[in-house]
Amino acid sequence: GAGVSQSPRYKVAKRGQDVALRCDPISGHVSLFWYQQALGQGPEFLTYFQNEAQLDKSGLPSDRFFAERPEGSVSTLKIQRTQQEDSAVYLCASSLSGVYEKLFFGSGTQLSVL
Amino acid sequence: AQTVTQSQPEMSVQEAETVTLSCTYDTSESDYYLFWYKQPPSRQMILVIRQEAYKQQNATENRFSVNFQKAAKSFSLKISDSQLGDAAMYFCEMYSGGGADGLTFGKGTHLIIQP
Repeated sequence: GAGVSQSPRYKVAKRGQDVALRCDPISGHVSLFWYQQALGQGPEFLTYFQNEAQLDKSGLPSDRFFAERPEGSVSTLKIQRTQQEDSAVYLCASSLSGVYEKLFFGSGTQLSVL
Repeated sequence: AQTVTQSQPEMSVQEAETVTLSCTYDTSESDYYLFWYKQPPSRQMILVIRQEAYKQQNATENRFSVNFQKAAKSFSLKISDSQLGDAAMYFCEMYSGGGADGLTFGKGTHLIIQP
C-alpha cells in the first residue's frame, strides 16, 4: 500500500477483555516495529520483526502482550486480559530494511480500557 | 543505557520567525543515528531530518536544519520561516545499535505557531 495502515483507529475495551490491533506495513518493507505511546509521552519500543522473525520483544511490558507477523507482512499485536494501564496509542512503523533507516509510521490505534 | 532528553515541553514562535528545539542524548556508542520526527494531531509520525553521527556536516532539509555537536551530545533542530503547518509535537530519536532496543525517543516538544 501507499503507507502504513493500522486498524482500528480507536478501540474501547472493558477491563479483562482481549484485543487485537492490526498493522499493514508498506509493501516490501522488511522491518516492522510496534511502539506504545502514553498521553504526553514519546513512543516506547515494544517489539521488532524482520520479515516473519521477531528479533526483539524486550519492550513488551508483560506476558499479556503478544505480537506476530506470520507471513512477513501484516502484523497483529494482541493484548490479553486488558488493564487500565494498557490505555495508550499503539503505533506501528516499518522500514525498508534495518533499524537505522527512516521509519514510516501509521496513524496508530488509540486503546481505551474502561 | 541510552537516553534522549528534550528539555522544552512546549515552545511558541511567531509565524515566519525562527525557532530552535533542543535535544541532548547519552550513549556509549561511537556510531549512531539521530532523527527528528514530527507528530501532528493526526498522530502519524513523519521524519523531518536524519543525521549520521560519523558525518560532521549538519543535515539540512529545506527550512529544517540541525546543529549537531557530537562532543556535547547535542542535536538541536532549527526551523526557519515558521509556518502554521509546522505546529505539532516534535520528537528526537536516537538509534545507537544493539538491535531495536537501541531505538530511543525523547518525550517531545509541543511547538505552537502564533499567526
